[in-house]
Amino acid sequence: GEDVEQSLFLSVREGDSSVINCTYTDSSSTYLYWYKQEPGAGLQLLTYIFSNMDMKQDQRLTVLLNKKDKHLSLRIADTQTGDSAIYFCAENAGNNRKLIWGLGTSLAVNP
Amino acid sequence: EAGVVQSPRYKIIEKKQPVAFWCNPISGHNTLYWYLQNLGQGPELLIRYENEEAVDDSQLPKDRFSAERLKGVDSTLKIQPAELGDSAVYLCASSLGTAPYEQYFGPGTRLTVT
Repeated sequence: GEDVEQSLFLSVREGDSSVINCTYTDSSSTYLYWYKQEPGAGLQLLTYIFSNMDMKQDQRLTVLLNKKDKHLSLRIADTQTGDSAIYFCAENAGNNRKLIWGLGTSLAVNP
Repeated sequence: EAGVVQSPRYKIIEKKQPVAFWCNPISGHNTLYWYLQNLGQGPELLIRYENEEAVDDSQLPKDRFSAERLKGVDSTLKIQPAELGDSAVYLCASSLGTAPYEQYFGPGTRLTVT
């Protein structure tokens, strides 16, 4: 069945780069997304990538997609304390409406 | 542009009581979603609307949960009667319904059932 997996925790030092990884199973997914959730808040869409792309860059964010291995990563350059949050990876389930979500990766940024 | 609006932000009720949550999507977004999020989990879809039609309600526990989106704009999710296990955050999201189908979320309603 459809599944999205992420590592649960990541700790980095302020100013370093963070890399959050995600694997998915549905090869028919056309879009994959990264969302950020701060404590007590809803989910904020950070970026998405179309499945025929292997990289997308948006300011400090770089998304890499390895479609063969069904592996998605989010790199945050120059990580700041304000980046501390839970990051969710999500894939659409082929019908372009329903998203399959990972459990989220909790990113802690240490000063 | 205003984002997705939800109310209330917090609700505490006793078990067996009814509760309702309200959502106003981003203007022009014809697709509306209700999700449930438990602590340490990702969102779980409860129901999806395309305009006023519920096109995916397979995960909605219909014995106690109901939802409506009468005019294809704002929506209400109701639980009656609430159970202890319903304590969670209820999230509303909306999208244009066209590629890349990105969903925009409201701040959520945190429900505590005692």
